[in-house]
Amino acid sequence: DIQMTQSPSTLSASVGDSVTFTCRASQSISRWLAWYQQKPGKAPKILIYKASILESGVPSRFRGSGSGTEFTLSITSLQPDDFATYYCQQYKDFAPYTFGQGTKVEIK
Amino acid sequence: QVQLQESGPGLVRPSETLSLTCTVSGGSITSHYWSWIRQPPGKGLEWIGSVYYTQNTDFNPSLKSRVSISGHTSENQISLQMTSLTAADTAVYYCARGGEVLTGPHDAFDIWGQGTMVIVSS
Repeated sequence: DIQMTQSPSTLSASVGDSVTFTCRASQSISRWLAWYQQKPGKAPKILIYKASILESGVPSRFRGSGSGTEFTLSITSLQPDDFATYYCQQYKDFAPYTFGQGTKVEIK
Repeated sequence: QVQLQESGPGLVRPSETLSLTCTVSGGSITSHYWSWIRQPPGKGLEWIGSVYYTQNTDFNPSLKSRVSISGHTSENQISLQMTSLTAADTAVYYCARGGEVLTGPHDAFDIWGQGTMVIVSS
C-alpha cells in the first residue's frame, strides 16, 4: 500500500493568515493526488485533484502543488469557513486508494 | 446534479452482517466508479472498495475477505455488505463517486453522500 503522511497534524492560525501544509507519499504517485476539506459531521468535499487543479466552485485562495512524493496545500487569507480538517488522497494505486491522516486547521 | 444518499441500520450486533445501500439520483450508476469509504469516530478515512459496471469490483486487501459490493441498475443503487462485524467496524460509512469508467480508476472522489453512522454493539 502507498502510505500518505500529512504534516502538521494540527495548525493554529488566524483569519487572514496564509497557511501551507504538506502531504508525503511513500512512493512516487506522479500527480495522482487529491485534497479534501471536511467539517465536523459533514462528508469530505473535494478541493483539488491531479495535485493542482481546482475543483469547480472552489475559491482561488486554495492552491495545490507538488509531484512525485511531496505535495502541499496552501490557503491564502484564511476565511472563517476554512477552519476544518484537510485530507490528501492518492489515486495512483486503486487497491487500495489511501488517505493521509489529516491536518486540522484551528483558530488561534 | 448527482446526489448520493446512504441508508442502513444504525446499530448492528457483533459478528453480524452489515448491509448498506447508496441511492444515486441525477445520474446513472453505469457510467462511473462507485466507492464505499468509512471513517471511525475521530479518525481518518479508509477506502473499503469500489464497483463499476455493477459487478466489477476492487477491495481494500485489509477488508477483502469480509466485503462485497454490487450495483443495481434498476434501482440505481450501490450496495455494501460486510460480514463478521466487530466494534472496530463502528464508523460513518460514505459512498462516493469516482471517475468515469471509460477513463479508468485513476480519479478522485468528486461527489460524496452525507454518510450513515453504523455502531457495532450488543
